[in-house]
Amino acid sequence: NAGVTQTPKFQVLKTGQSMTLQCAQDMNHNSMYWYRQDPGMGLRLIYYSASEGTTDKGEVPNGYNVSRLNKREFSLRLESAAPSQTSVYFCALGNTGELFFGEGSRLTVL
Amino acid sequence: KQEVTQIPAALSVPEGENLVLNCSFTDSAIYNLQWFRQDPGKGLTSLLLIQSSQREQTSGRLNASLDKSSGRSTLYIAASQPGDSATYLCAAYTGGFKTIFGAGTRLFVKA
Repeated sequence: NAGVTQTPKFQVLKTGQSMTLQCAQDMNHNSMYWYRQDPGMGLRLIYYSASEGTTDKGEVPNGYNVSRLNKREFSLRLESAAPSQTSVYFCALGNTGELFFGEGSRLTVL
Repeated sequence: KQEVTQIPAALSVPEGENLVLNCSFTDSAIYNLQWFRQDPGKGLTSLLLIQSSQREQTSGRLNASLDKSSGRSTLYIAASQPGDSATYLCAAYTGGFKTIFGAGTRLFVKA
């Protein structure tokens, strides 16, 4: 999964705390995505960015914000974490529907 | 609404067996279908991408086919090895930055 770097890989938060997941790419793709993966639910799109400076809601955007300040980076912020946000978060990128994924960030909210 | 289903949810085979993983989708209006491999605790690794105009794609021991009219794709793995043990996911791109994922088939290849 070289080319898509996510940080941190693991994080434990208490309810109400905030944090930002970072994603950086070196593949020069315009479009970037944030997904969450939960057992039995598959992968669900949280937010995406079609290009630098633009962002749009996906299937499950509530409780999250995103920022795409440049072409390389796309961040996902949890302003007030809730136990329901315990999940594995994946950053992905790609144009014309072919996706490339990062290694994931495992988040636990207590 | 597009739905993607993968059956079976889990599969256990002896080493050396040829096997087929199934993926079905409800709406034939897809642009492409992508197969991924996911190892425990890891990200998704792209295996094969089939464009809507294509019937199949091959990479090494892997062959993926696509039949849009019947809403089906299959991933054929030849001469399976223990290292093939992983979860395999299919994903249908429907346009508008939307990709619908199946829940995956967990494959275990016994040595």
